[in-house]
Amino acid sequence: AQKVTQAQTEISVVEKEDVTLDCVYETRDTTYYLFWYKQPPSGELVFLIRRNSFDEQNEISGRYSWNFQKSTSSFNFTITASQVVDSAVYFCALSGNTDKLIFGTGTRLQVFP
Amino acid sequence: KAGVTQTPRYLIKTRGQQVTLSCSPISGHRSVSWYQQTPGQGLQFLFEYFSETQRNKGNFPGRFSGRQFSNSRSEMNVSTLELGDSALYLCASSYNPWAPTDTQYFGPGTRLTVL
Repeated sequence: AQKVTQAQTEISVVEKEDVTLDCVYETRDTTYYLFWYKQPPSGELVFLIRRNSFDEQNEISGRYSWNFQKSTSSFNFTITASQVVDSAVYFCALSGNTDKLIFGTGTRLQVFP
Repeated sequence: KAGVTQTPRYLIKTRGQQVTLSCSPISGHRSVSWYQQTPGQGLQFLFEYFSETQRNKGNFPGRFSGRQFSNSRSEMNVSTLELGDSALYLCASSYNPWAPTDTQYFGPGTRLTVL
């Protein structure tokens, strides 16, 4: 069975702090895909990144970076120099060989000015 | 390109009624998936349609159904509504029908309240 665990329910930081959101996954598939989505108060899930199981390269996009480690089944997300606009719920998700996404329970990030 | 659109955005129904939600995918996308989001169960996959055929189905009762039209627009229907059906229903579309998994882009959702 596939499972995604986001152990951090809520994180609060002050603007300009760095913050890391943890994601641990379980799957028996050899080929799988990992995603991060952001859900602002408006409700729409905004796609941030997709990574396949064969690509363990870390990725940086502006203030965002992702650390994928197959050895620990983790796909962590770091926001550098956080901003108030980063406040949202962040979801990690996993899919195998179908379009069905298995989501974690989400981490609510609050960034205070 | 316009994003995924969902109508209506808000809906209030009473127990026992039925409801139909609509989703228009991003132009050119042929796969549409539906998810239910509740505080208790989180985000759960309902079903996925591709070329008017249901390709995958989640673990929901038969009261939940869907369909896809030739223009890729999709509808989902919930019959005999229960209080527990109150949720945000999210639609997502993806482009590449030949890849086993493609990135899904989500709409703003329909918030259904069952009284």
